[in-house]
Amino acid sequence: SQQGEEDPQALSIQEGENATMNCSYKTSINNLQWYRQNSGRGLVHLILIRSNEREKHSGRLRVTLDTSKKSSSLLITASRAADTASYFCATDNGKLTFGQGTILTVHP
Amino acid sequence: GAGVSQSPSNKVTEKGKDVELRCDPISGHTALYWYRQRLGQGLEFLIYFQGNSAPDKSGLPSDRFSAERTGESVSTLTIQRTQQEDSAVYLCASSHRDRLQETQYFGPGTRLLVL
Repeated sequence: SQQGEEDPQALSIQEGENATMNCSYKTSINNLQWYRQNSGRGLVHLILIRSNEREKHSGRLRVTLDTSKKSSSLLITASRAADTASYFCATDNGKLTFGQGTILTVHP
Repeated sequence: GAGVSQSPSNKVTEKGKDVELRCDPISGHTALYWYRQRLGQGLEFLIYFQGNSAPDKSGLPSDRFSAERTGESVSTLTIQRTQQEDSAVYLCASSHRDRLQETQYFGPGTRLLVL
């Protein structure tokens, strides 16, 4: 299986709810990044968390990293319909490797 | 203040033909990457250019794939004798310095369909 596996594969929620996506990986990393991809658009970088960091916030985004469990989570609080997109985690160990992504649908 | 641009945005070609994809990175970015994204899958790293160093070609899937970059500007990805399995979105990204600990900025991609 590949580095940077995400779950769930798809998540459907109502506006205002929180969305949590998880990412697991296998090898040691320098940092882990989360990206968003809207349909038909390029990837947009959301947040980078370094291997010596445990939690990071950016607006409505909260990312955690547990290097002992080799896992990360992305929390989007108070979701909006505009948050509907695919979310990818990417591990950086000298080369950036992406997971297959989580498709998030936020219903108005 | 333009971001990364790629052309063409869409390309339909016949099996066996050669295609050339272009990437214009953000001005001043020394690092440039090519990725491939097949439908429903994550990104696959193809090749990485950093300044005047020899490129990291470790992700190129076969010798039909090649890429060039002139200095710190435009890059072209060439696929020779295209096959149907080459159908994918090809994404280019650039970053300011070394790829470690550095945010990559992505272009919109080129959608390649090989018939």
